[in-house]
Amino acid sequence: DTGVSQDPRHKITKRGQNVTFRCDPISEHNRLYWYRQTLGQGPEFLTYFQNEAQLEKSRLLSDRFSAERPKGSFSTLEIQRTEQGDSAMYLCASSASGRQGGELFFGEGSRLTVL
Amino acid sequence: GNSVTQMEGPVTLSEEAFLTINCTYTATGYPSLFWYVQYPGEGLQLLLKATKADDKGSNKGFEATYRKETTSFHLEKGSVQVSDSAVYFCALSEGETGGYNKLIFGAGTRLAVHP
Repeated sequence: DTGVSQDPRHKITKRGQNVTFRCDPISEHNRLYWYRQTLGQGPEFLTYFQNEAQLEKSRLLSDRFSAERPKGSFSTLEIQRTEQGDSAMYLCASSASGRQGGELFFGEGSRLTVL
Repeated sequence: GNSVTQMEGPVTLSEEAFLTINCTYTATGYPSLFWYVQYPGEGLQLLLKATKADDKGSNKGFEATYRKETTSFHLEKGSVQVSDSAVYFCALSEGETGGYNKLIFGAGTRLAVHP
């Protein structure tokens, strides 16, 4: 296992379309996070899973955004009815549990461009 | 709410120059503090961390000390190399003690080192 992988790396879509991003975390990590990064800004927390449970989703940007982790392994982030303001890099990270101050391992991100 | 402020870039230095990137934070409680680095075309990587006041994190010649009295976590390196050119993000960890790491990031500081 070489790290967190995300797919697709780039997605161009038209406004109003739905898009889905997939994240495969490091296999032994039970915690998974989604972040969004816009140009010139740091990553912004969206949501978090411990195993299959979504323990925080209050930071999801609107009800057009949803995330799942059905079997506690890979996760998907879906954006419905995309808007131009959704254009950003969507980052996934994973970590092991039980370690205060433990390290998050990030994927290379999925870049979304909404035309 | 919790927040991180770091100096704006870009920071441009000659090889072997001394580097300081300032980072200050606002937080309730006692967060852990981190520096992440993003090399061109790569994902975010943890550079160093400190989990309590007066701790010094260090890695690859970089250092940062957790200063509770000044709410700061400045990044320093005595002699930078061209290979250090990257974007550096200061971050703090929200969440329960021993719990998940919801990171709050600063906006990032781009460092460019020339020969």
